[in-house]
Amino acid sequence: DGGITQSPKYLFRKEGQNVTLSCEQNLNHDAMYWYRQDPGQGLRLIYYSQIVNDFQKGDIAEGYSVSREKKESFPLTVTSAQKNPTAFYLCASSFRGTVQETQYFGPGTRLLVL
Amino acid sequence: RKEVEQDPGPFNVPEGATVAFNCTYSNSASQSFFWYRQDCRKEPKLLMSVYSSGNEDGRFTAQLNRASQYISLLIRDSKLSDSATYLCVVNEDAGNNRKLIWGLGTSLGVNP
Repeated sequence: DGGITQSPKYLFRKEGQNVTLSCEQNLNHDAMYWYRQDPGQGLRLIYYSQIVNDFQKGDIAEGYSVSREKKESFPLTVTSAQKNPTAFYLCASSFRGTVQETQYFGPGTRLLVL
Repeated sequence: RKEVEQDPGPFNVPEGATVAFNCTYSNSASQSFFWYRQDCRKEPKLLMSVYSSGNEDGRFTAQLNRASQYISLLIRDSKLSDSATYLCVVNEDAGNNRKLIWGLGTSLGVNP
């Protein structure tokens, strides 16, 4: 089945710890995105990537880092510099990355701070 | 003014009812518009794109009003399974090919 997978479904972070959220897609899409969703707020873009080995900051990139070494994979690291990391993290992909395209989402990862 | 505004609801309607949501956007240069559906604690999924001439998909009809800068979603013959949050999505600027602005969503509950 084609689609986007994210793991883990739930993740707990201790103070001062970096954690990495996985996102994999087998849709052969060029573009991939990371969003954060908080209660009472719309989806906010953290990072996006149009092509392997290239990525751009979104609106709230501070405290996060990404890599795009393979077309299928776009992991997100939440660093200790992110002071309020508790949120629902959604990874998405689209065919080429233009705004006319549908974005397909993974099931999300819920990150909680201990 | 927020870039994309939606009435958060909740809208509670009986099965079989017709319900309509509006979404206003602030950037007159926006070119792409979508409605996504998000079930509780799940990921968003595309419901339909919104075209200038309006478009229909079964019980769902989407309209765009550029003069007043809003899009609408009409759901006819509501089903229990239509209960969800409906997200309005607009591209930020005609010159920016990669940025979408997401509304906070309108919550719909369909009751038996």
